[in-house]
Amino acid sequence: DAKTTQPTSMDCAEGRAANLPCNHSTISGNEYVYWYRQIHSQGPQYIIHGLKNNETNEMASLIITEDRKSSTLILPHATLRDTAVYYCIVKSGLTGGGNKLTFGTGTQLKVEL
Amino acid sequence: GAGVSQSPSNKVTEKGKDVELRCDPISGHTALYWYRQSLGQGLEFLIYFQGNSAPDKSGLPSDRFSAERTGGSVSTLTIQRTQQEDSAVYLCASRFQRDPLGNTGELFFGEGSRLTVL
Repeated sequence: DAKTTQPTSMDCAEGRAANLPCNHSTISGNEYVYWYRQIHSQGPQYIIHGLKNNETNEMASLIITEDRKSSTLILPHATLRDTAVYYCIVKSGLTGGGNKLTFGTGTQLKVEL
Repeated sequence: GAGVSQSPSNKVTEKGKDVELRCDPISGHTALYWYRQSLGQGLEFLIYFQGNSAPDKSGLPSDRFSAERTGGSVSTLTIQRTQQEDSAVYLCASRFQRDPLGNTGELFFGEGSRLTVL
């Protein structure tokens, strides 16, 4: 599975949009982009995933560039409860590509008043 | 319950002792994963079960680690002769084989079992 690069940490003011970038320049055609987050002392939580189209759900939006070499997770109105480590993961959606998600070190997002 | 359940939530043991960690996945989920997370570190894949297929054990760090999944549901991770470096949070996750779009779908994680080896 393709490797991802994320900033180590980011700060965001409460109520503002949090835009978390992820580079995955070696992504291949059948690989999806997944985002998870891990709030302190909890297990990771799925947020969203996409292949090439932008995706939106009740938690966040995922913007994938046309060449698919990078993506941005957007939390439209960040709250203090969004403070967490955010993981960007790229993997094949097919069983032949392996089934495990490889978590990197992620981005520590700190939402402040 | 509705989520992935893990027990014990905390385990303190002495070096050299064996420990067993239990995971009860979400009902109907055919895939089950074990990860571990050392203090301040990312998640490290350990093992993956899918239905009746042979498990993917490629992440187990040594032969002191083993896991089984009985009846395609509950899983037990066993660590023999524990060492201090085994201290970590052990996380279990499960998912459906595929979602309606054919994707391998999202993982649902439990809250983890915190293991401390003295």
